[in-house]
Amino acid sequence: DAKTTQPNSMESNEEEPVHLPCNHSTISGTDYIHWYRQLPSQGPEYVIHGLTSNVNNRMASLAIAEDRKSSTLILHRATLRDAAVYYCILRANFGNEKLTFGTGTRLTIIP
Amino acid sequence: GAVVSQHPSRVICKSGTSVKIECRSLDFQATTMFWYRQFPKQSLMLMATSNEGSKATYEQGVEKDKFLINHASLTLSTLTVTSAHPEDSSFYICSAWAGAGRHGYTFGSGTRLTVV
Repeated sequence: DAKTTQPNSMESNEEEPVHLPCNHSTISGTDYIHWYRQLPSQGPEYVIHGLTSNVNNRMASLAIAEDRKSSTLILHRATLRDAAVYYCILRANFGNEKLTFGTGTRLTIIP
Repeated sequence: GAVVSQHPSRVICKSGTSVKIECRSLDFQATTMFWYRQFPKQSLMLMATSNEGSKATYEQGVEKDKFLINHASLTLSTLTVTSAHPEDSSFYICSAWAGAGRHGYTFGSGTRLTVV
């Protein structure tokens, strides 16, 4: 499995944008970039995913580098409820393929 | 969206007993479910892949006779921790592939197992 590298932790002030980076230099052409987050004592939840183009949804935006070797999850206006561990995961474009979690980035929101 | 219901959320059991954790897909059929284990301050570790109507596929180092997985229907998978010991205390999480149209994976809320 292609691996991802994320900072262990980040802090951000409430109501400010947050940029969470992820490096995936060994990504293959069929790998989608997925982001999940895990709030304390809960299972992970889907945030966003993309292949080549930048993606936006109600939760976040995903900016993908042109060479696809890195990506950035953007939370436009962080709230205290966004405090979580964010996981950047590569997944091949096949049904039922397992997700392999790395260590993720623990995001702390400062009131 | 796709929902996976996991029960119980918390369980405390005595050493040597068995515990069953259920994972149900409520509004979709899950031909494949995944079981993860998470120790404090660590990431999720995949234990096994559960396929409806067939034997589960276990990750390296996971004892299949200790962690029994049954996936008898398209909406239910169970994980039974047999002869539990304190080192089995962990957070167990199930996940199911809900299909590309539903953004892929949906996770249960997790089960906190404490073996005393």
